[in-house]
Amino acid sequence: DIQMTQSPSSLSASVGDRVTITCRASQGIRNDLGWYQQKPGKAPKRLIYAASSLQSGVPSRFSGSGSGTEFTLTISSLQPEDFATYYCLQHNSYPPMYTFGQGTKLEIK
Amino acid sequence: EVQLVQSGAEVKKPGESLKISCKGSGYSFTSYWIGWVRQMPGKGLEWMGIIYPGDSDTRYSPSFQGQVTISADKSISTAYLQWSSLKASDTAMYYCARLAVGIDYWGQGTLVTVSS
Repeated sequence: DIQMTQSPSSLSASVGDRVTITCRASQGIRNDLGWYQQKPGKAPKRLIYAASSLQSGVPSRFSGSGSGTEFTLTISSLQPEDFATYYCLQHNSYPPMYTFGQGTKLEIK
Repeated sequence: EVQLVQSGAEVKKPGESLKISCKGSGYSFTSYWIGWVRQMPGKGLEWMGIIYPGDSDTRYSPSFQGQVTISADKSISTAYLQWSSLKASDTAMYYCARLAVGIDYWGQGTLVTVSS
């Protein structure tokens, strides 16, 4: 099974900051990784798919990079609505038994 | 428009059975895997298992094998997650999701509360 290690588990930042979240896969997964944002009481929302492709409607301040085992999500200039929890999801397996990272809670400093 | 609509919140007692549902619309239900995801209070997302409604091929994560049953009725475009004997530790939000390049659509979630 593919394990995903996400860091940090929590992060305090200010509006306007640039932040980076990292996910590491236990084995190579090509670019089969997505990033999701979840706000309290809501279902997660996809931000990035295929490691670096921006989901339609998602602001361009979100970007993803990486391939193989190391991936990053970057928010270039934090906005108030970006304070949420972020998860990576590897989707390299077939049948599609995927794996989430542990999550990163992004809080206001 | 693709939609996954889940059944409403449930409050149950330990030992009771439960079946929650996820109805797909706006796409070919039999052509995409459906996954179930658990989120315990204040915790992260956990992958429970998957089903391919076209042929009912079903897989479970080791942590959930034998604890839940995933099924689907393709005639009504609905997937199910069921328990035969609930425990307090099953208290969580449960999401269904359409699997396409990861997860592209989510249900709104079903909150299951198990308390005596």
